[in-house]
Amino acid sequence: QKEVEQDPGPLSVPEGAIVSLNCTYSNSAFQYFMWYRQYSRKGPELLMYTYSSGNKEDGRFTAQVDKSSKYISLFIRDSQPSDSATYLCACPNQAGTALIFGKGTTLSVSS
Amino acid sequence: DAGITQSPRHKVTETGTPVTLRCHQTENHRYMYWYRQDPGHGLRLIHYSYGVKDTDKGEVSDGYSVSRSKTEDFLLTLESATSSQTSVYFCAISETGQNTEAFFGQGTRLTVV
Repeated sequence: QKEVEQDPGPLSVPEGAIVSLNCTYSNSAFQYFMWYRQYSRKGPELLMYTYSSGNKEDGRFTAQVDKSSKYISLFIRDSQPSDSATYLCACPNQAGTALIFGKGTTLSVSS
Repeated sequence: DAGITQSPRHKVTETGTPVTLRCHQTENHRYMYWYRQDPGHGLRLIHYSYGVKDTDKGEVSDGYSVSRSKTEDFLLTLESATSSQTSVYFCAISETGQNTEAFFGQGTRLTVV
């Protein structure tokens, strides 16, 4: 089992929809959880990160962590065509020296 | 944007030839990483460095070597390129390496024919 699992999609939604992106992880020692966004032919960029369990909100984006089920979610409200990208969840490895990424979910928002 | 420059941005090379990719940063971050990104596999760590001359292997290090002689430069070498090493390579940097954000370069698209 990979340490971070993510459904690759693709996911297609109409503009204005609420989007839910999800990951699971296997190592209960993970404390930080991150979401990166990657546009086509670009490098990933950090979107949000959370520590331990709970929610974190930033504008239209909400990151949620449930440590009891080892589940990470990213919600996008009022999705826009500019949100069309690949979203990658990530956790630091056990040594805290590098990030482990999910495979990424490709999202397409149509106008 | 974090000051990370990868070179070259695109390269086509023949099987069996050596290839070196360069990552240059202007942020003075201690940690530098090389990842490869392939369809169906996502981003996988090849090697990383936690200081000058200090490097360690990642998940997919076979066939790759790295060197870091200066804080700002991290080189990835394919000693004898194979078709399975056709990929997009990303360099990343991190200030502490622990649980904080990593900044990525724009990527190098390598094709081995």
